[in-house]
Amino acid sequence: AQRVTQPEKLLSVFKGAPVELKCNYSYSGSPELFWYVQYSRQRLQLLLRHISRESIKGFTADLNKGETSFHLKKPFAQEEDSAMYYCALYTGGFKTIFGAGTRLFVKA
Amino acid sequence: GAGVSQSPSNKVTEKGKDVELRCDPISGHTALYWYRQSLGQGLEFLIYFQGNSAPDKSGLPSDRFSAERTGGSVSTLTIQRTQQEDSAVYLCASSPRPYQGYNEQFFGPGTRLTVL
Repeated sequence: AQRVTQPEKLLSVFKGAPVELKCNYSYSGSPELFWYVQYSRQRLQLLLRHISRESIKGFTADLNKGETSFHLKKPFAQEEDSAMYYCALYTGGFKTIFGAGTRLFVKA
Repeated sequence: GAGVSQSPSNKVTEKGKDVELRCDPISGHTALYWYRQSLGQGLEFLIYFQGNSAPDKSGLPSDRFSAERTGGSVSTLTIQRTQQEDSAVYLCASSPRPYQGYNEQFFGPGTRLTVL
């Protein structure tokens, strides 16, 4: 079955602390994975995609095929990182499967 | 020009009434998606269109929900006989044709539906 799992509904960290938002996937093909973010009062938007191996706003995500994971990491969280984060698996054609989301709170 | 637009931005209705939610995708985008975002429930897929046809309606929660897309552009999501559990933010997204194994979805601002 094709599935994206984000085990944490809510994650709370202090400013300056490292943050890791977990994402695991189930897919028999070669996965294309993404992270989307929704800041307060803003639209849901693409944050980063694994294929580009980029760092966006200090966030990185590495695809680990052995562990079927695509965790989102940032070494030093900022208050402006507080948002809802969705991990997404592209399964081909026009279909993308989204996880249930993790709400990140960064406390001052 | 602008991104995906949705109307209305807010809708308050009484239980049992029908509602229509509208989505205007980015011009030229082939696919259009509807999602529901409920507090504590994350992003729930409802339906997607490729052109005017809907290859996947698997997420529609009941037969009270229906959607159509005309002219490969505007889409309307209709909820008949609304129930309180239908209260949520309904998001629309559109995407161009996949390119090099990549298909980004562009989201609208959402319609917040409240059923009293």
